Amino acid sequence: KAGVTQTPRYLIKTRGQQVTLSCSPISGHRSVSWYQQTPGQGLQFLFEYFSETQRNKGNFPGRFSGRQFSNSRSEMNVSTLELGDSALYLCASSTILLAGGPYNEQFFGPGTRLTVL
Amino acid sequence: AQSVTQLDSQVPVFEEAPVELRCNYSSSVSVYLFWYVQYPNQGLQLLLKYLSGSTLVKGINGFEAEFNKSQTSFHLRKPSVHISDTAEYFCAVNPGAQKLVFGQGTRLTINP
Repeated sequence: KAGVTQTPRYLIKTRGQQVTLSCSPISGHRSVSWYQQTPGQGLQFLFEYFSETQRNKGNFPGRFSGRQFSNSRSEMNVSTLELGDSALYLCASSTILLAGGPYNEQFFGPGTRLTVL
Repeated sequence: AQSVTQLDSQVPVFEEAPVELRCNYSSSVSVYLFWYVQYPNQGLQLLLKYLSGSTLVKGINGFEAEFNKSQTSFHLRKPSVHISDTAEYFCAVNPGAQKLVFGQGTRLTINP
């Protein structure tokens, strides 16, 4: 089975621009979560999508948004980029048997490294 | 809110020596605990997890961890490390729902 794929792997943008990152989950996985990894703040949860609905959201400003499509693929968007948005953005997918059920193991993709100049 | 503290930001050890990476968590309820490894320019790979049952958990690549509820710890150990174990290691807790809270990471460096 193919793993979680993220595109692009590397991205360079300038301040004020917007960016869209893509994540394709493992086949059959319906939950997709996004994390931001920076040297200063470490790994932080951004949001989680299940069946095209955002179920959980971390403590990030509204410039960070996401969506999920009917095939479970997910995108996250960051508008009005700031220097501090430079980070590795990781996507993770999991199979959910029951909405609201116990935690299911998350499988991580390789990440998209975003550099904001 | 649940939190995770990794007590060492860097751990240097010699090859074939034992290693312990320390992790403490804060929680007043049952927890699911995890250790992940991240190699350079890669995502996170699950090493092992504690969901319930035996407090000694065995994972991949010869790693194991012990869940200690009274000390709220989940330390990772390996009896003999190899150069290939050089990586960053993250301890994480599931605070509910489908998300993880991570520690700041421990960079393990293996010296020949």
